[in-house]
Amino acid sequence: DTEVTQTPKHLVMGMTNKKSLKCEQHMGHRAMYWYKQKAKKPPELMFVYSYEKLSINESVPSRFSPECPNSSLLNLHLHALQPEDSALYLCASSQDEQQGRETQYFGPGTRLLVL
Amino acid sequence: GEDVEQSLFLSVREGDSSVINCTYTDSSSTYLYWYKQEPGAGLQLLTYIFSNMDMKQDQRLTVLLNKKDKHLSLRIADTQTGDSAIYFCADNNAGNMLTFGGGTRLMVKP
Repeated sequence: DTEVTQTPKHLVMGMTNKKSLKCEQHMGHRAMYWYKQKAKKPPELMFVYSYEKLSINESVPSRFSPECPNSSLLNLHLHALQPEDSALYLCASSQDEQQGRETQYFGPGTRLLVL
Repeated sequence: GEDVEQSLFLSVREGDSSVINCTYTDSSSTYLYWYKQEPGAGLQLLTYIFSNMDMKQDQRLTVLLNKKDKHLSLRIADTQTGDSAIYFCADNNAGNMLTFGGGTRLMVKP
């Protein structure tokens, strides 16, 4: 089973709202990732969690706040977003970050529209 | 920094073979990947190849790696309309950091 699930599938929010994106995997993976994908572009890495600790933050604005409550769950808290933040947000996981175990499996994504 | 490049678009007829090409610059990559993305969906891992291999076959998919030229290709045999999608090649460098190509849109005509 190589399934990563994400909720919600679609989200529309205003610039003053607070919302959260959720990601879950039950593969025993210890590395989890958030990516942002704009239309007709490849995914861009936002955050990496390794063994529930934030290991990479690709200079993402503070209006995006990641959280890893346990090894199976990854959240992305959203607050005061801008219309240009509208995109497909993808979650991925891998066994961990070590060579040979770093193959990433992606979820279906949450399509976010900020009005 | 690392650069991964792909052609933007490929159109084939159903039943033909498709070949999607990718070039990369980082010679220290350990794995190279092919992902498929259908409209509105996430990325599906299709296949990957370890950098010390030069070929991998998996049913209709054949991956060729020319490490000297830093060239990767994905051949899809007997292409079907369900293969229409965007295909991303990616390599990993600096551990688990993936660098994606821009994606190749494959259109399969009946």
